[in-house]
Amino acid sequence: DTAVSQTPKYLVTQMGNDKSIKCEQNLGHDTMYWYKQDSKKFLKIMFSYNNKELIINETVPNRFSPKSPDKAHLNLHINSLELGDSAVYFCASSQVAGPNYGYTFGSGTRLTVV
Amino acid sequence: AQSVTQLDSHVSVSEGTPVLLRCNYSSSYSPSLFWYVQHPNKGLQLLLKYTSAATLVKGINGFEAEFKKSETSFHLTKPSAHMSDAAEYFCVVSSVSGNTPLVFGKGTRLSVIA
Repeated sequence: DTAVSQTPKYLVTQMGNDKSIKCEQNLGHDTMYWYKQDSKKFLKIMFSYNNKELIINETVPNRFSPKSPDKAHLNLHINSLELGDSAVYFCASSQVAGPNYGYTFGSGTRLTVV
Repeated sequence: AQSVTQLDSHVSVSEGTPVLLRCNYSSSYSPSLFWYVQHPNKGLQLLLKYTSAATLVKGINGFEAEFKKSETSFHLTKPSAHMSDAAEYFCVVSSVSGNTPLVFGKGTRLSVIA
């Protein structure tokens, strides 16, 4: 009964292609995120959605477009893939402050652009 | 603005000896602080979190961390290292109000020698 699930786990694709990564959480959290982990393992926020509304959009190329059809889903679509997009992408969700305050991460999607 | 500095990129210990992973933070809000662990080719697992309650926080697998406001530190310790502790460890800061993105340190790779 996975709390935050991402699909696919691995994605290998050619430069110039368009691809999507899906994320779903069954925790009832209001906020969802996409993080990117680069080859040096550094993790950085890309986007944050609260109740389907975009609240954070870091300096990410506009080839990356998040979509949140409802508060349990946050998908990431990437157009015109480039070699530099190769990374591990993590979806996460969070609960508002309170005794259950915390963040839960998915297991990651390893994207390789060739 | 928030930031985290992990003072060591790599720490190597012998099995059975204590572990100390150092972290300093900077935050203009009351911070929440976390330690996450990432085993090779795996996702992120929460070890422990501090959210303005007790300053000494106990986590999973025998890890603990102490929040020291005067030193802006949140070092992670474990009395006795196991081989299974070998992994990448991330110190992370967020605001205590929740639903704000996590800001990650650059990680410390822990090696455990038999």
